[in-house]
Amino acid sequence: SAVISQKPSRDICQRGTSLTIQCQVDSQVTMMFWYRQQPGQSLTLIATANQGSEATYESGFVIDKFPISRPNLTFSTLTVSNMSPEDSSIYLCSGDLAGAGHEQFFGPGTRLTVL
Amino acid sequence: GENVGLHLPTLSVQEGDNSIINCAYSNSASDYFIWYKQESGKGPQFIIDIRSNMDKRQGQRVTVLLNKTVKHLSLQIAATQPGDSAVYFCAEKSGNQAGTALIFGKGTTLSVSS
Repeated sequence: SAVISQKPSRDICQRGTSLTIQCQVDSQVTMMFWYRQQPGQSLTLIATANQGSEATYESGFVIDKFPISRPNLTFSTLTVSNMSPEDSSIYLCSGDLAGAGHEQFFGPGTRLTVL
Repeated sequence: GENVGLHLPTLSVQEGDNSIINCAYSNSASDYFIWYKQESGKGPQFIIDIRSNMDKRQGQRVTVLLNKTVKHLSLQIAATQPGDSAVYFCAEKSGNQAGTALIFGKGTTLSVSS
């Protein structure tokens, strides 16, 4: 298994500002994924982050709004740019272990509130 | 687009009862399914998975059943305990490789009363 940590665990931000969320894994993971979970809802995939290449974004999500970095096999960041109240959500990172092939492990999430 | 959905948003059971949580999926190309448990303030936690070449898989107190004919997935929890109270999500993906993201269903909130 893998342990995934996220920083910050929560934040309250002002409209128009940006927040960078960090995701650290204690094992090397092939791919990392960023999800958004709005209150009481399911998880929606934002993008897939591979080391050394640009992230692949899902429909409705763009790099200018959610830039992602993946400098190595254990770390990734997601930035929520030019925030508005509609960005208030829980942001979760996930990774699958190199060689495991299937199971995705999740971080505890970052609860973001935009005023 | 195709996604995985759940039949019931909430399920209330008594401690000691067996719980059954259902999920219907529409993507016939999906070949791997996972059930996750999410407690308040935490990320989803892996419970059990099943590949499309199986119709049943058992874990500790949990069983997952897969019916590919009707595209139905269920999670059975035996002797449900208060600690089982959480939101349960089914998730699916196509392709037997690392690096393919999971697509999640809507979730069922399980409430266990003692």
